[in-house]
Amino acid sequence: DQQVKQNSPSLSVQEGRISILNCDYTNSMFDYFLWYKKYPAEGPTFLISISSIKDKNEDGRFTVFLNKSAKHLSLHIVPSQPGDSAVYFCAAFYQTGANNLFFGTGTRLTVIP
Amino acid sequence: DVKVTQSSRYLVKRTGEKVFLECVQDMDHENMFWYRQDPGLGLRLIYFSYDVKMKEKGDIPEGYSVSREKKERFSLILESASTNQTSMYLCASSRRGGPTEAFFGQGTRLTVV
Repeated sequence: DQQVKQNSPSLSVQEGRISILNCDYTNSMFDYFLWYKKYPAEGPTFLISISSIKDKNEDGRFTVFLNKSAKHLSLHIVPSQPGDSAVYFCAAFYQTGANNLFFGTGTRLTVIP
Repeated sequence: DVKVTQSSRYLVKRTGEKVFLECVQDMDHENMFWYRQDPGLGLRLIYFSYDVKMKEKGDIPEGYSVSREKKERFSLILESASTNQTSMYLCASSRRGGPTEAFFGQGTRLTVV
């Protein structure tokens, strides 16, 4: 059962505009959330994270918003650049003995020059 | 610079072969993971190890086994490769406890013919 869901498999945005990637989760035990970026033929790289005690975290052009009541988070990229074109994975964490990091299915972002 | 290194970027193997995928990390991390990435399915956990000689099954362990004889090295073994194991394989590591990000290797694209 998929505990972390990214319902949009792809997104296209014009260069300079805002990209908004969405992620939903079902497990209320999750207390930390991460976004990873993945280029083809490379491993995912960490982008930005947010603790469940916050509702916003910002790092340069990237901002992550968390709505705990809706079990929803989003990644905003402003302004979008062609180099942002990649697959973005949402991940959620809670402390457990075994698998403690759960990934979504990914959203492929294409930024059109 | 932190590093997770996978032994091969690309591999082509025949059905029925025994396949070894090697992963080494230099961050002294306790946790190591093997994922596979398939289109539309995101990152699915195959096996997880939280210490030397310790292993836990992930979501899709069938047809795979793992070995962790040293802290820095985590091997994934395909006992008898099949065409449905053609995929991108990703190794990751993280420190124990959390929350914490996982660091990924560059991936191994395995094709079973």
